[in-house]
Amino acid sequence: DTAVSQTPKYLVTQMGNDKSIKCEQNLGHDTMYWYKQDSKKFLKIMFSYNNKELIINETVPNRFSPKSPDKAHLNLHINSLELGDSAVYFCASSGGTSGNTIYFGEGSWLTVV
Amino acid sequence: AQSVAQPEDQVNVAEGNPLTVKCTYSVSGNPYLFWYVQYPNRGLQFLLKYITGDNLVKGSYGFEAEFNKSQTSFHLKKPSALVSDSALYFCAVRGTGFQKLVFGTGTRLLVSP
Repeated sequence: DTAVSQTPKYLVTQMGNDKSIKCEQNLGHDTMYWYKQDSKKFLKIMFSYNNKELIINETVPNRFSPKSPDKAHLNLHINSLELGDSAVYFCASSGGTSGNTIYFGEGSWLTVV
Repeated sequence: AQSVAQPEDQVNVAEGNPLTVKCTYSVSGNPYLFWYVQYPNRGLQFLLKYITGDNLVKGSYGFEAEFNKSQTSFHLKKPSALVSDSALYFCAVRGTGFQKLVFGTGTRLLVSP
């Protein structure tokens, strides 16, 4: 009965590669997010989608491109990976009966070497 | 823009003693306030929230938080700490509408036996 699931959990890749992280929620929420947690544990929002429409787009390099094929999915594609992209990426969702509460996935640990 | 301050990087408390993790915030309008906990290599787990109503909010695992509008604070408390409470705690705030959830820098709670 996983609520917000993201894959892969761990990803090690070389600089310059392109990679994707997938996220799915089965909570019936209509808003989904991507957050980035850096090595100092700072959490910062990257993107937010509501009903498949982009509503928050923070200052993120355009190498990062989110895609929401439907309300339950929000994927993150990253082009030309750089060392500084190494971080934990959290998918999250909110809405429906949870109201304002945002529920997070378990995170995807990205290491760029 | 909204912001959150968690003034303590780490809080140390002995098991069985009460604990407090501090949080102050800044937001336009009425705040929506949240506490999350993060265990090592895990995602963020929702603990509790204040939206409106009673200033004392009770949440998961025996935690509670008190909303103080005049001091713009939302401190997390627990009457009797457990070793298993040791984790990283994040305070977060958002305003109304599609405003982003902004996190504090986190406070590491260490409960000693």
